[in-house]
Amino acid sequence: GQQLNQSPQSMFIQEGEDVSMNCTSSSIFNTWLWYKQDPGEGPVLLIALYKAGELTSNGRLTAQFGITRKDSFLNISASIPSDVGIYFCAGPRTGNQFYFGTGTSLTVIP
Amino acid sequence: GAGVSQSPSNKVTEKGKDVELRCDPISGHTALYWYRQSLGQGLEFLIYFQGNSAPDKSGLPSDRFSAERTGGSVSTLTIQRTQQEDSAVYLCASSRPPSYTQYFGPGTRLTVL
Repeated sequence: GQQLNQSPQSMFIQEGEDVSMNCTSSSIFNTWLWYKQDPGEGPVLLIALYKAGELTSNGRLTAQFGITRKDSFLNISASIPSDVGIYFCAGPRTGNQFYFGTGTSLTVIP
Repeated sequence: GAGVSQSPSNKVTEKGKDVELRCDPISGHTALYWYRQSLGQGLEFLIYFQGNSAPDKSGLPSDRFSAERTGGSVSTLTIQRTQQEDSAVYLCASSRPPSYTQYFGPGTRLTVL
């Protein structure tokens, strides 16, 4: 079946540092989504990407749709404590269904 | 407006018992999804409802799992004869196609003793 692998699996960083994480697939995707899950909550959509090579920002977050369409990257600049959580990439399976990645757990140390 | 709600928030049950988990999607959202999230893991797709179409049940892990969606709104996920490996957070999400944005509920944490 489809696999979305995220790396790193977990990150521990100092407040103020920049963060980079990525997501790779064994198949081509036409859409990439990035979600964040706070502890005890459901995931919330951060950024959606619809075109290969697309670079989209949302505040301190920037995401890129890889040229090969098999990967995507998420960067967070100047991290703050509320950035703590698990970040998931997701791509469409069929119709409106999605595969979710394995997640990157981010811990920000004040 | 109200978001996706799920009940109960926590459920502790004994092995072999049946459980029902409920999801109230956002009003007007025709698509509804159930996912399972085991401790420290990603989201595992279980089942997908879209309007009046037959649901996609391809993610259900065994025939002990079933789900219904009544009147195109509320959905119930039923797990029969629960096993310890069923312990996880069960997340429900809804969306309004053609938008890809899924709105998630807070989840139900199921613990099977």
